[in-house]
Amino acid sequence: DGGITQSPKYLFRKEGQNVTLSCEQNLNHDAMYWYRQDPGQGLRLIYYSQIVNDFQKGDIAEGYSVSREKKESFPLTVTSAQKNPTAFYLCASSLSPGQTYEQYFGPGTRLTVT
Amino acid sequence: AQSVTQPDIHITVSEGASLELRCNYSYGATPYLFWYVQSPGQGLQLLLKYFSGDTLVQGIKGFEAEFKRSQSSFNLRKPSVHWSDAAEYFCAVGASGGSYIPTFGRGTSLIVHP
Repeated sequence: DGGITQSPKYLFRKEGQNVTLSCEQNLNHDAMYWYRQDPGQGLRLIYYSQIVNDFQKGDIAEGYSVSREKKESFPLTVTSAQKNPTAFYLCASSLSPGQTYEQYFGPGTRLTVT
Repeated sequence: AQSVTQPDIHITVSEGASLELRCNYSYGATPYLFWYVQSPGQGLQLLLKYFSGDTLVQGIKGFEAEFKRSQSSFNLRKPSVHWSDAAEYFCAVGASGGSYIPTFGRGTSLIVHP
């Protein structure tokens, strides 16, 4: 069964610690995305990647970092520089850059930082 | 740049009643349009999409949407709502040229009364 997996489902961290959220897809999609979701604010784009070893900042990239060493994987690191990291994080993928294909979403990771 | 407005933050309907969720977009050319649904604590699932052709689009779970260029709208409809339709609904618009990253509306929360 093809799809996107995100782990863990829930993540708790102390303030000042970096934390990495996992995102894996077996859909053979070229493009991958990270979104942050807060109540009433919809989805805000953090980073996206069109191809392996390349990625671009989205609208709210400050305090986050990513890597794209493999086509299947696009991990997101929430650094201690992110002022308000508690949120629901969604990973998505789409077939190819260059056209607006529909996105396939993972189940999300809820991060709580105290 | 494209933008999306979902004017209704919450919609409450009775089970069995009809439903219409509003979506207005701003984009200079012919847009790519999507509706996604999100159950609590889950990722987003594509309901339907419009790229071109017939302006009335059928989707999964009995939903349909109509593209009206003159009104810059892409409203989602369902003739008879089921309690399981209670969820958050997101409209998204993508550019047919240039940036392929879709823009999401802030979402409409659907509440279904028995």
